[in-house]
Amino acid sequence: GESVGLHLPTLSVQEGDNSIINCAYSNSASDYFIWYKQESGKGPQFIIDIRSNMDKRQGQRVTVLLNKTVKHLSLQIAATQPGDSAVYFCAEGGNGGSQGNLIFGKGTKLSVKP
Amino acid sequence: DTGVSQDPRHKITKRGQNVTFRCDPISEHNRLYWYRQTLGQGPEFLTYFQNEAQLEKSRLLSDRFSAERPKGSFSTLEIQRTEQGDSAMYLCASSLADSDTEAFFGQGTRLTVV
Repeated sequence: GESVGLHLPTLSVQEGDNSIINCAYSNSASDYFIWYKQESGKGPQFIIDIRSNMDKRQGQRVTVLLNKTVKHLSLQIAATQPGDSAVYFCAEGGNGGSQGNLIFGKGTKLSVKP
Repeated sequence: DTGVSQDPRHKITKRGQNVTFRCDPISEHNRLYWYRQTLGQGPEFLTYFQNEAQLEKSRLLSDRFSAERPKGSFSTLEIQRTEQGDSAMYLCASSLADSDTEAFFGQGTRLTVV
């Protein structure tokens, strides 16, 4: 079946460096894509989203890029900080529905070295 | 309002017992979602409500699982005759019924079936 997945299960970066987390998706009908951050013992926390009619969206220290041609999504974190250490999930939703019924990928664990 | 609240945070039960979890969404949110997350995986959608109506159920939601939202506010998720494979984190999220509104997750209920 169609699914959302991630290229790398773990990513280790030095504090202050930029981080790039990648995600591949296969459902071309998805309307939007979301990045979540999940710290140990907590629920997922919304970071940023992007709709399918966009290719880039920026937030505070984060940028999401969407390449529909190759069905690829990435999250860029600028000046990575120790507090960014967490598991990052991409998720997709479709058909104009609410963001709640989503398909999540497996996650990438980001470790930030001081 | 302090966000989505779930109770209990942890539950250990013997196989075959019934368990019930509660979720209190953000007060003005009319959509409520249940997800299940196993270790190392992303959350998997189970079901969602708009007000008191259960609008969608995943095939993951077996006959032993039932969710209710009787007054369109808090929701309960009951698992009957628990099995070891039910051990997981059960996450609740809520949102407004608007495709541009993010879903906020609670901290989850960790279920361990022994």
